Amino acid sequence: QQPVQSPQAVILREGEDAVINCSSSKALYSVHWYRQKHGEAPVFLMILLKGGEQKGHEKISASFNEKKQQSSLYLTASQLSYSGTYFCGTDYFGNEKLTFGTGTRLTIIP
Amino acid sequence: DAGVIQSPRHEVTEMGQEVTLRCKLISGHNSLFWYRQTMMRGLELLIYFNNNVPIDDSGMPEDRFSAKMPNASFSTLKIQPSEPRDSAVYFCASSFSARQVSTEAFFGQGTRLTVV
Repeated sequence: QQPVQSPQAVILREGEDAVINCSSSKALYSVHWYRQKHGEAPVFLMILLKGGEQKGHEKISASFNEKKQQSSLYLTASQLSYSGTYFCGTDYFGNEKLTFGTGTRLTIIP
Repeated sequence: DAGVIQSPRHEVTEMGQEVTLRCKLISGHNSLFWYRQTMMRGLELLIYFNNNVPIDDSGMPEDRFSAKMPNASFSTLKIQPSEPRDSAVYFCASSFSARQVSTEAFFGQGTRLTVV
């Protein structure tokens, strides 16, 4: 079952912050976040395991709310290089099957 | 390691022809995923292998699609016969998975398939 991401698209000025949400109707074991630039393959950002963990990667961090079955990706002081489509990937019950959300297109303008 | 390697990078074929996409996993990885990406449907999981065994093929659209892992480092995705609606970018990704351990998936560069 595919997780749902919101918003579908965001346009930011350089230096602004953004939040991308990923929700599931089923209990999650882990959430993966990936970024894909146009014409390229998705690239791994981070994994969060159940337990309400929060992680960071440069100025990008994420949280995982197991009760709400959702994860949020936080981008602070956005840079032009952050532009791309962000996908969350969900793994249910640790069965390692990785299913991706619908994606959020992020555009950073100078 | 060179990463996940897919071939060909681009494929243009006529409707009705057989198409075979290839994927070489990263050495030491034991999980293999095939995804299809389109504007309309995003990244769809087609099939997932673990230790060479197909675990979940519920995403395979039709019997025209088949996937194999003849050995631990190589996989093929075959479409026979191909149709224009199969046009998409096909990615394979590999990871190391153990029971209830989720790790990073590494993606290949994808195969852009166009069926005319």
